[in-house]
Amino acid sequence: EPEVTQTPSHQVTQMGQEVILRCVPISNHLYFYWYRQILGQKVEFLVSFYNNEISEKSEIFDDQFSVERPDGSNFTLKIRSTKLEDSAMYFCASSGVAGRDTQYFGPGTRLTVL
Amino acid sequence: SQQGEEDPQALSIQEGENATMNCSYKTSINNLQWYRQNSGRGLVHLILIRSNEREKHSGRLRVTLDTSKKSSSLLITASRAADTASYFCATDRSSNTGKLIFGQGTTLQVKP
Repeated sequence: EPEVTQTPSHQVTQMGQEVILRCVPISNHLYFYWYRQILGQKVEFLVSFYNNEISEKSEIFDDQFSVERPDGSNFTLKIRSTKLEDSAMYFCASSGVAGRDTQYFGPGTRLTVL
Repeated sequence: SQQGEEDPQALSIQEGENATMNCSYKTSINNLQWYRQNSGRGLVHLILIRSNEREKHSGRLRVTLDTSKKSSSLLITASRAADTASYFCATDRSSNTGKLIFGQGTTLQVKP
């Protein structure tokens, strides 16, 4: 069964460093998303992406965040200058059709900012 | 209150019993999705129910949706210890971006 994959599973970085979180969505999906979950809290939407453009972003997704689909298979989230409060589990998800279809989530990348 | 709120926050039952979790939301939706999350792990999709549907089944899972009350329920029948996890509802509002709004979740413990 197709699945969303994410690498790395755990990333430790120093405050102020740049990190890139990688995702491989399900191959025939067209819509891609990033969410995050701070420990003990609910899952929060960050950004949705379609046709090489951001279709919606949350207030969390400020200028330090960016997303890219550099090729036909990968979908990346870059955090330019990490802060302590960026420590969280980051989930990538994909769906075939936005607004009408199941979103399948990857296993997540646990980001720890020291 | 927030979109996608579940109750109860925590539920503890014996194996074999049924577990019911509820979710309320505020705005109109395209669909509502239920996910399971084992401790520290990823989100596993359980069921999607569309705004024009009232009930869906999948194995031991039954989901209902009442759009007039803006609420949904997830019933797990004949629970097993392996059902121990957190359960979240997530609403997809009437937009074309697919943004899901998650609730705080219900933590279910099934005692063997």
